[in-house]
Amino acid sequence: QKEVEQDPGPLSVPEGAIVSLNCTYSNSAFQYFMWYRQYSRKGPELLMYTYSSGNKEDGRFTAQVDKSSKYISLFIRDSQPSDSATYLCAMSAGAGGTSYGKLTFGQGTILTVHP
Amino acid sequence: SAVISQKPSRDICQRGTSLTIQCQVDSQVTMMFWYRQQPGQSLTLIATANQGSEATYESGFVIDKFPISRPNLTFSTLTVSNMSPEDSSIYLCSVRQGISTEAFFGQGTRLTVV
Repeated sequence: QKEVEQDPGPLSVPEGAIVSLNCTYSNSAFQYFMWYRQYSRKGPELLMYTYSSGNKEDGRFTAQVDKSSKYISLFIRDSQPSDSATYLCAMSAGAGGTSYGKLTFGQGTILTVHP
Repeated sequence: SAVISQKPSRDICQRGTSLTIQCQVDSQVTMMFWYRQQPGQSLTLIATANQGSEATYESGFVIDKFPISRPNLTFSTLTVSNMSPEDSSIYLCSVRQGISTEAFFGQGTRLTVV
């Protein structure tokens, strides 16, 4: 079993739709959670960063973390064609351990928003 | 956020040769990492680049194949040695100021081995 599971999709939605992207994880040591957007032939771009459980909103993006369920989500409101990309969840543990600061990634979800 | 420059952005190399990838950050950072992204796959950590000491490698990655240097807090190199077609991937440099901070990535080096 992988430490982080993410539905690879692909996910295709019409412009203006609400998109929900999800990841589950098994390592209870994970405390820091990030969502990245990666366009083709580009490096990952940080969208959202959250610590522990709770919600965080930034414009059209909302990140949710539920540590009790080991489940994180990214919601995109009013999706646009420019949101078409691969979305990666990533997480890391707190202090201690041998892989200090290491990110563990999900497989990535390919999203297409069509006009 | 840190600005991370990677060179080269892409290269096509012959099998058996080596390629050194450079990562330059516009400010001093505590942590630097090297990841690999194989075609159609997610990112896998190769190693943590430690300033002034040997890198810390993840399981499945060894120093002889992926030697790493980090002479200061703004610069690191990753060498892919004795390349084979299986090394064709995107190699990415990442930085963090601490475990409680965000991680940022360079644009990556797209390597094709023929």
